[in-house]
Amino acid sequence: IAGITQAPTSQILAAGRRMTLRCTQDMRHNAMYWYRQDLGLGLRLIHYSNTAGTTGKGEVPDGYSVSRANTDDFPLTLASAVPSQTSVYFCASSDSYGRSGYNEQFFGPGTRLTVL
Amino acid sequence: GIQVEQSPPDLILQEGANSTLRCNFSDSVNNLQWFHQNPWGQLINLFYIPSGTKQNGRLSATTVATERYSLLYISSSQTTDSGVYFCAGDAGGTSYGKLTFGQGTILTVHP
Repeated sequence: IAGITQAPTSQILAAGRRMTLRCTQDMRHNAMYWYRQDLGLGLRLIHYSNTAGTTGKGEVPDGYSVSRANTDDFPLTLASAVPSQTSVYFCASSDSYGRSGYNEQFFGPGTRLTVL
Repeated sequence: GIQVEQSPPDLILQEGANSTLRCNFSDSVNNLQWFHQNPWGQLINLFYIPSGTKQNGRLSATTVATERYSLLYISSSQTTDSGVYFCAGDAGGTSYGKLTFGQGTILTVHP
């Protein structure tokens, strides 16, 4: 069981380019999340999806978009990358469906993105 | 949203020492979790502990939800315990599942 996989592991990107970070989970979790971690800071939520077909905005959504076509995949797209989007991006998932009040999140290995 | 304050920000220990890390929340918190980020950047789940006390080997955690804080105890520390420890939680309601993280405690354990 792989859990959560993210790709690429790292990427250097020119400003203005479009980039999609991939996230796949094999645990059949209903909810998925994208966070970013900047140097010296904790993680901040970008976007989330409570179930396939739905998405919502987190704390820092500007410049990012997501889609949730199926249960397993939750890609994060930077339409036109800017240097301030240089960060480590973590995908997470949780099995909260039908479990009132329960939401334990599990994290992928992260993608280190540098925008020049 | 809720504010999360972790203390201390940095902690240096000799191998074998014990330590207590604290996490304070500005408001009622749900789905409280503790994580260890190892030197390779991986986030490892330590405890899911919205209330009460749990233990896992040398680590234990206690959350007092009514007083809005949680404690992580590390006993007989080892060099492999080094890294950053984060607590996180959500405010419930419309913020359900939207974790807010603390700034972390950087732990260094020397041999």
